[in-house]
Amino acid sequence: EAQVTQNPRYLITVTGKKLTVTCSQNMNHEYMSWYRQDPGLGLRQIYYSMNVEVTDKGDVPEGYKVSRKEKRNFPLILESPSPNQTSLYFCASSLSRFGEQPQHFGDGTRLSIL
Amino acid sequence: DAKTTQPPSMDCAEGRAANLPCNHSTISGNEYVYWYRQIHSQGPQYIIHGLKNNETNEMASLIITEDRKSSTLILPHATLRDTAVYYCIVRVAGTNAGKSTFGDGTTLTVKP
Repeated sequence: EAQVTQNPRYLITVTGKKLTVTCSQNMNHEYMSWYRQDPGLGLRQIYYSMNVEVTDKGDVPEGYKVSRKEKRNFPLILESPSPNQTSLYFCASSLSRFGEQPQHFGDGTRLSIL
Repeated sequence: DAKTTQPPSMDCAEGRAANLPCNHSTISGNEYVYWYRQIHSQGPQYIIHGLKNNETNEMASLIITEDRKSSTLILPHATLRDTAVYYCIVRVAGTNAGKSTFGDGTTLTVKP
């Protein structure tokens, strides 16, 4: 089944403890992206990747890192998480990096930073 | 990417057509109009997209005005399961297609 898989789905952790949220897609998609969603707000883009080894900042990149060493994986790294990064996170992928194909979203990861 | 404006909320009677408007008056010629929806806190689901022409698929129809400054998503026979937040976004096509901006969307409530 074609899908975008995020892990973990839920995580409660403490301030300063490094964590990684994984994202994997099995559709050979070029483009991948991370979003966060806070209560009452739409999705805000954190980082995106146009292809392997090509990443760039979205609208809210502070406090996050990403890497794209393989086409299928696009992990989101929080080196020193803080409570303001408590949020619902979504990973998305798209067949083309040129914007003419839709994004497919994962089921989300709910992070709580205490 | 061009900014979009949507009404915060709309109601629709079950079985009737739901018409969701979106304003994108600053859209450029190489920007697509995309519609997604999000049910509760699930991952957004793609519905439909278009550049200039009206589009129809098994889920919905997309009507884009001739000047491309606005569009309407039509759910022809709304059901209770169509209750969701609907996002209209515009996304540039080409080598600068990386950024993707979602607004606040329209909360559609389908009532029995």
